[in-house]
Amino acid sequence: GAVVSQHPSWVICKSGTSVKIECRSLDFQATTMFWYRQFPKQSLMLMATSNEGSKATYEQGVEKDKFLINHASLTLSTLTVTSAHPEDSSFYICSAPPDYGYTFGSGTRLTVV
Amino acid sequence: AQSVTQLDSQVPVFEEAPVELRCNYSSSVSVYLFWYVQYPNQGLQLLLKYLSGSTLVKGINGFEAEFNKSQTSFHLRKPSVHISDTAEYFCAVSEPGGTSYGKLTFGQGTILTVHP
Repeated sequence: GAVVSQHPSWVICKSGTSVKIECRSLDFQATTMFWYRQFPKQSLMLMATSNEGSKATYEQGVEKDKFLINHASLTLSTLTVTSAHPEDSSFYICSAPPDYGYTFGSGTRLTVV
Repeated sequence: AQSVTQLDSQVPVFEEAPVELRCNYSSSVSVYLFWYVQYPNQGLQLLLKYLSGSTLVKGINGFEAEFNKSQTSFHLRKPSVHISDTAEYFCAVSEPGGTSYGKLTFGQGTILTVHP
């Protein structure tokens, strides 16, 4: 099946700094990837869809300027949390499109201190 | 709009006992249905999915689920659980096409705890 590699697995950063999370497709190429966020003890919520060659599509209520999503190539999608604050601490995870089995990456635990 | 309700937030069960994790969905269109498992501090692993065809879907690790359109349910079952099945389980729904194709709507999760 499709393999999605996500890095880093966990990151701690200081308030006000930016953090980049990478999501790579190892054995397939995709023009879209999906990004989800999971707050502690809560379910997963879709944040946005990255699109290769065009702007990401954000879900309602997600701050576009804070969560920069880029689809640099057919195998790389990135999420950058800009000017992170403690309330951005969460588990971020990407997933492959349906053609590749709705497979998820391993996730990134972000802690902002 | 779609929604998913997992009826039990926590399910404790003894090892080798059967288990059922309940999931109901709401949608105005046809749906694809999924069950994922999440171990602590890990990503999501797909257990099984229903796209079409037989309503009884068999997945990995001995799990199965049955799609019941009239009751809008997709309950997950395992006849005999192991300690290693202790994890959080998420039911999810997606549309088979349109602008929401590929986007998953998740339930609140059910924590399954298997006791020795």
